[in-house]
Formats: sequence, C-alpha cells, structure tokens
Amino acid sequence: AQSVTQLGSHVSVSEGALVLLRCNYSSSVPPYLFWYVQYPNQGLQLLLKYTSAATLVKGINGFEAEFKKSETSFHLTKPSAHMSDAAEYFCAVSGYNQGGKLIFGQGTELSVKP
Amino acid sequence: ETGVTQTPRHLVMGMTNKKSLKCEQHLGHNAMYWYKQSAKKPLELMFVYNFKEQTENNSVPSRFSPECPNSSHLFLHLHTLQPEDSALYLCASTSGTRDTGELFFGEGSRLTVL
Repeated sequence: AQSVTQLGSHVSVSEGALVLLRCNYSSSVPPYLFWYVQYPNQGLQLLLKYTSAATLVKGINGFEAEFKKSETSFHLTKPSAHMSDAAEYFCAVSGYNQGGKLIFGQGTELSVKP
Repeated sequence: ETGVTQTPRHLVMGMTNKKSLKCEQHLGHNAMYWYKQSAKKPLELMFVYNFKEQTENNSVPSRFSPECPNSSHLFLHLHTLQPEDSALYLCASTSGTRDTGELFFGEGSRLTVL
C-alpha cells in the first residue's frame, strides 16, 4: 500500500525567502514520486518527478526536491520565493508500471507575501 | 488545440438531472483518467481507460458512468447525483498505463449539485 503525507496545509513565506514544502511517503515497493502545482481555476501541472535515477531532482520554475529513502521524504524547495509561486502544491506517489495511477497528498497552499 | 480540454468548465445540476462531462486530449496518448478533487481531501482516482478499455474502477458509485469511445475522448455521465458529489472533476492522460510518465491534466469541470 502507498500513502503520502504533506506536513502543513498552508505555508506562508516572504518574497525572496526559502520555500520548503514537506512530503513523506509510505510505499511497499520502490516509489516513484511527483510534485504537482495547481494555480487557481486550473488543472495540475507537473513540477518534477523522481523515478529512481538521481536523488536530487530539478524541476521547472527553479524548484527542486531530494529523495531521502532513510527518511521516506521528498521535500520540495526553492531558494527564493516569487509572488508567482503562490499556488497549491501536491505530492504524489506511484509504483513501477503504474502509469497515471497516483496517490496524492492533501496539498499545501503556498502564500507569498510582498 | 493542444493538451487536455474539458467541457463544461462549470456545471450546476439538480439531483434528478442527467448531464455529461467531456474530455478531449490532443497529445496522442493512449490512457485517460478521471480524478475527483473535493475540498480538503486528496485527489481521488475514479476511472482509468487504456486504449478505450476500462482498466480500473475505484469503487465509484454507479451514478457516475464513464465512456471512452476512442483514445482521445472520455466522458463522465452523471445521473441522480448527491450534494456530496459536488467537486472539481479532473481529466488526465498519459502515454500508457504501464509507464511512469507524467499525468497531463485538463483544467477541470467544477460541478455543483443542488
């Protein structure tokens, strides 16, 4: 069985500050891990994904995430927040050959203050 | 057109109405998905279709009836819904159901059941 826990339903940072969104997973098989972003009134867009290659994954818009097997974590970071980063972020997990059958976390809403 | 297109974007219906949601993908993908996004809950996978064949029904009530006439089109027929069915219904596609490719989402159809 697989599950995802996102710590913090809402995170607020100042523009230019570090963004850290936390995600822990549970999986009985080697996981594939994803971060998606959802802007208001839009669908979800892939930020980055981990599929058993490099543990540090770089995505779009300056985001990156590090897979830490020992901590079962896949936290999302960005060194300097921009106002346009305000959105909801979802962590998701799947397994080998699962295609688009993802298990999503509950989401973290990111607010960026000027 | 490109990507995944969903219509209508907004729908209000009574509990005795019959309506349909439509999804079309222009990506040449072979797998299509319906996800449900309710407030304060993780995205829930509802149905999976691969090459027009349904491969997964995630214990969805029969008042939701999917239809996939070809690999590019997916419908969700709605009948005798309940107020708790009010949610954002997201369609997505991937190249196949046995890869680890990203989900491409439409912008969603926001359904309100009165």
